[in-house]
Amino acid sequence: QVQLVESGGGVVQPGRSLRLSCAASGFSFSTYGMHWVRQAPGKGLEWVALLSSDEDYILYSDSVRGRFTISRDNSKTTLYLQMNDLRTEDTAVYYCAKDIENRQGYFEKWGRGTLVIVSS
Amino acid sequence: DFVMTQSPDSLAVSLGERATINCKSSQSILYSSNNKNYLAWYQQKPGQPPKLLIYWASTRETGVPDRFSGSGSGTDFTLTIDSLQAEDVAVYYCQQYYATPYTFGQGTKLEIK
Repeated sequence: QVQLVESGGGVVQPGRSLRLSCAASGFSFSTYGMHWVRQAPGKGLEWVALLSSDEDYILYSDSVRGRFTISRDNSKTTLYLQMNDLRTEDTAVYYCAKDIENRQGYFEKWGRGTLVIVSS
Repeated sequence: DFVMTQSPDSLAVSLGERATINCKSSQSILYSSNNKNYLAWYQQKPGQPPKLLIYWASTRETGVPDRFSGSGSGTDFTLTIDSLQAEDVAVYYCQQYYATPYTFGQGTKLEIK
């Protein structure tokens, strides 16, 4: 069955960097688009980034563009999110999510998330 | 950006009764070339990630009980839960995937009366 396991979260000071990972299994990782979606504590869901299966299509939300980089290693079936210049408003649970296709845009399966706290 | 607005923000329904959650998009999310509405519904239980319930506004995901149904077109959509069960207590989100950035409604918290 599809499994997505995020890691790499933690407490980090404003302006610092963090890299999240999402280990995928149970499906043909290289043929699906993958997303990051975040949820601030007690708040709703916010889409962050999309990376297509062959990495030719990359999109970011305005709130993270220029600071975050989504990438993937299909040989390791792992999705990444490099987060630079972190701000307090980036504090959230970060979920990786599998697209139903390459970049259809809805989320068939979600991981359990990893918590990022940006605080001095 | 497409703004998704859900109503109500919270809802209390008796066991066995019907729950209705509305979602309104700021622009039409009906794609005329394929006549599909680019709308999904998710359920998020406390401490869990969201779970896909409905896509294309009315197609139930595999394994989702048939008491969950979606309807609507264009800008106005509804998630209906018939015969509410205790395990349906959750926050429900609509999401448009017609255009990026993909956007969610603010969520509707469903409780048992």
